[in-house]
Amino acid sequence: DAGVIQSPRHEVTEMGQEVTLRCKPISGHDYLFWYRQTMMRGLELLIYFNNNVPIDDSGMPEDRFSAKMPNASFSTLKIQPSEPRDSAVYFCASSRTDEQYFGPGTRLTVT
Amino acid sequence: QQQVKQSPQSLIVQKGGISIINCAYENTAFDYFPWYQQFPGKGPALLIAIRPDVSEKKEGRFTISFNKSAKQFSLHIMDSQPGDSATYFCAASLGSSASKIIFGSGTRLSIRP
Repeated sequence: DAGVIQSPRHEVTEMGQEVTLRCKPISGHDYLFWYRQTMMRGLELLIYFNNNVPIDDSGMPEDRFSAKMPNASFSTLKIQPSEPRDSAVYFCASSRTDEQYFGPGTRLTVT
Repeated sequence: QQQVKQSPQSLIVQKGGISIINCAYENTAFDYFPWYQQFPGKGPALLIAIRPDVSEKKEGRFTISFNKSAKQFSLHIMDSQPGDSATYFCAASLGSSASKIIFGSGTRLSIRP
């Protein structure tokens, strides 16, 4: 299996622009997680889905962030409008049992 | 109560030595305690995990020690190697199967050759 696939790997954008991060989970996994990692705040869970349904979005920082999972093989995390403090590495992870498999991450820089 | 506290923040160990990372939790409902390893530029990957019905789990050079009464658990890396240099995260979760995992703040481990 190819593992969790994320795109783009790097994104540089200007403040105020819309940013869309994409994730393809491992086939057969029914849980999908979005995390944000920064030096200051560590690894934070933003939202997770089970069978394409959002279960817990309490970690989404504010209304500028939204996530969707239209089908079992695709999810997006959107930031609109983006701000410099959104700069971080965003990870997608998927699982079927206890172990979560992380993607390589998207490094987002907002200038 | 949902936090997992991890220490130290960084650790330097000589090659061949023992690396020890400690974690503590408050919520007694947690029943799954994984450790994740992260190399620079990569996502975290599961290293080893334990459930509270056992006090120790060993996989190769990696051992988790679990103290249920103290609500503490630790990772021991025996015969530490330069290839073990990475960031290690302890974590805890509620319930079985895939559920929300609470991660510790991470420990940056460096093994000196």
